[in-house]
Amino acid sequence: NAGVTQTPKFQVLKTGQSMTLQCAQDMNHNSMYWYRQDPGMGLRLIYYSASEGTTDKGEVPNGYNVSRLNKREFSLRLESAAPSQTSVYFCASTWGGRLNTEAFFGQGTRLTVV
Amino acid sequence: QQQVKQSPQSLIVQKGGISIINCAYENTAFDYFPWYQQFPGKGPALLIAIRPDVSEKKEGRFTISFNKSAKQFSLHIMDSQPGDSATYFCAARIIQAGTALIFGKGTTLSVSS
Repeated sequence: NAGVTQTPKFQVLKTGQSMTLQCAQDMNHNSMYWYRQDPGMGLRLIYYSASEGTTDKGEVPNGYNVSRLNKREFSLRLESAAPSQTSVYFCASTWGGRLNTEAFFGQGTRLTVV
Repeated sequence: QQQVKQSPQSLIVQKGGISIINCAYENTAFDYFPWYQQFPGKGPALLIAIRPDVSEKKEGRFTISFNKSAKQFSLHIMDSQPGDSATYFCAARIIQAGTALIFGKGTTLSVSS
């Protein structure tokens, strides 16, 4: 099993450009998440999808949009990239139930906005 | 608005020593407290987790101690090894609300040989 797969792994954007980060999981999980990781800031939640068809804002949603395309895929879009969005982005997924709560993370996308 | 406070930011321990990382939370509705381990260039991975109905959980050299009244929990790594050098994150979640994990800011652990 691949687990959680993120593409691309690295990306350099110019200010104002747009791009979509892709995430797919093959564990039949219900819930999916996007976090960003910055030095000294830990992992901050951008958006999450508790189940297919629903999305909710996290702590730092400004400048981002998401799409839960189907149960497997959850994409993150930057409409007009800014240098402040330079970060490492992680996608994660969980069953979302009460008993099995482990979150599985992808390998990350390192994004630089110049 | 940080709901999970983690300390210290960095930690250096000698091989064989005990590493201790502390976290404090504010929201008493949290009912799941995991610790994640992250190596450079990798995504975080679950290390150990605890629910608030127990005060301690041990898995090998890793132990979580949980103090519900103080709203604090800590990770103890016994007999620390150079391979334990990584960044550790505590986190908390309200399971039934379907909410996401809220993470602390992380602790970078270096175990010197």
